[in-house]
Order: sequence, then structure tokens, then C-alpha cells
Amino acid sequence: DIQMTQSPSSLSASVGDRVTITCRASQSISDYLNWYQQKPGKAPNLLIYAASSLQSGVPSRFSGSGSGTDFTLTISALQPEDFATYYCQQGYTTLLTFGPGTKLDI
Amino acid sequence: QVTLKESGPALVKPTQTLTLTCTFSGFSLSTNGMRLSWIRQPPGRALEWLARIDWDDEKFYSTSLKTRLTVSKDTSENRVVLTMTNVDPVDTATYYCARSYCNSGRCSVPFDHWGQGTLVTVSS
Repeated sequence: DIQMTQSPSSLSASVGDRVTITCRASQSISDYLNWYQQKPGKAPNLLIYAASSLQSGVPSRFSGSGSGTDFTLTISALQPEDFATYYCQQGYTTLLTFGPGTKLDI
Repeated sequence: QVTLKESGPALVKPTQTLTLTCTFSGFSLSTNGMRLSWIRQPPGRALEWLARIDWDDEKFYSTSLKTRLTVSKDTSENRVVLTMTNVDPVDTATYYCARSYCNSGRCSVPFDHWGQGTLVTVSS
């Protein structure tokens, strides 16, 4: 199975900050990488698919990049509603896997 | 409007079989490229993908759980069922069903719609 790692595991930031979260795959996954945001007690919400495509309805301050094994999620200017946990997920193989998550708090 | 909702027991005893149902609307699982997965999340922990069933009835299972999982679909009733045998307290989690739709060969299988989740506690 492809293993996904994320760094950092937690991150403290302030409103207005630019934040970058990194996701790494244990082998090349091309651009078959998705990003989700999850708030406490809620289901995850798709932000970015295919590494860099913004899901409909998601604010443009979210962006994704990368290919192969290394990927990043960037939030250009943090808003209060962005404090949440972020997960990456690979869809390269039929056995799908998520990263361990990055908790972003104030 | 796409909706999904999980249902099943809130409490099961160790060694029992857990049966969860995902009832959905707004799409058909017989549409080419449609897929439905089960994902779980133990309290305070990360997401874990469990199983997937596709429009063509292909099924895929997590390597670590494949001997205990079975997924099936009832296309006419818009339902997908997951069974997990021989449950253990470590299976305590919120269980989600989530949809993916891939209309081309290149697809990262994103989960674009999720159910609200159902919390299952395994305890005697």
C-alpha cells in the first residue's frame, strides 16, 4: 500500500497568515492527490483534487501543487473559518490511503 | 442534490458482526464512473479508507481489513451495505460513506460528497 505522510502534524498560525502544509507519498502517485478540510464533529470537505484543481465552491485562497511524491496545500491568507484539520489522500492505486492529518489552530 | 446517510447500530459487542447501510440520493451507482467508499475515523484520530464498490460492481478492500469486510450494493434501492465481522473495541469509530465520480480515465478518486457519519462503539 502507498503510505502518506504530512508535515507538520500541527501548526499554529494567525488570521491573515500564509500557511503551507506538505504531503508526501511513499512512491510516485503522479498528480492523483486530493486535499480535505475537516472541522470537529463534521465530515471532511473536499478542497483540492488532482493535486491542483480547486473544487467548486472552495475559496480561491486555497491552492495545491506538486506531483510525483511531494505535494503542498497553501492557504494564502488565513480566515477564522480555516482553523481545522487538513488531510491528503492518494487515488493512484485502487487501495486508497489518507495522510495522518495536520491540525491548524490559532 | 446529492445526499448520503449512514445508518446502523450505535453499539455492538465484541466478536459480533457490524452491518452499516449507506442510503443515497441525487445520483445513481449504475452510472459509469460512479464509486462509493466507506471510510472510518476513530475518536481523535485520522481517516482510514475501508472499502469501495464501483458502478460495475467491482469491489476493493483495505489490505489490513479485507478478511473482515464485505461491501454490496442495491442499485434499485440506492443503498450500499458494509459488513464487518468479528468486531473489536479498536473498531470503535465514526463510519462515513462517501461518493467519488470519475468520468475520465485520469481521476484522483476524490470524495466529493460525504454522509454525516455514524458513531459505532464496540463494547461489552
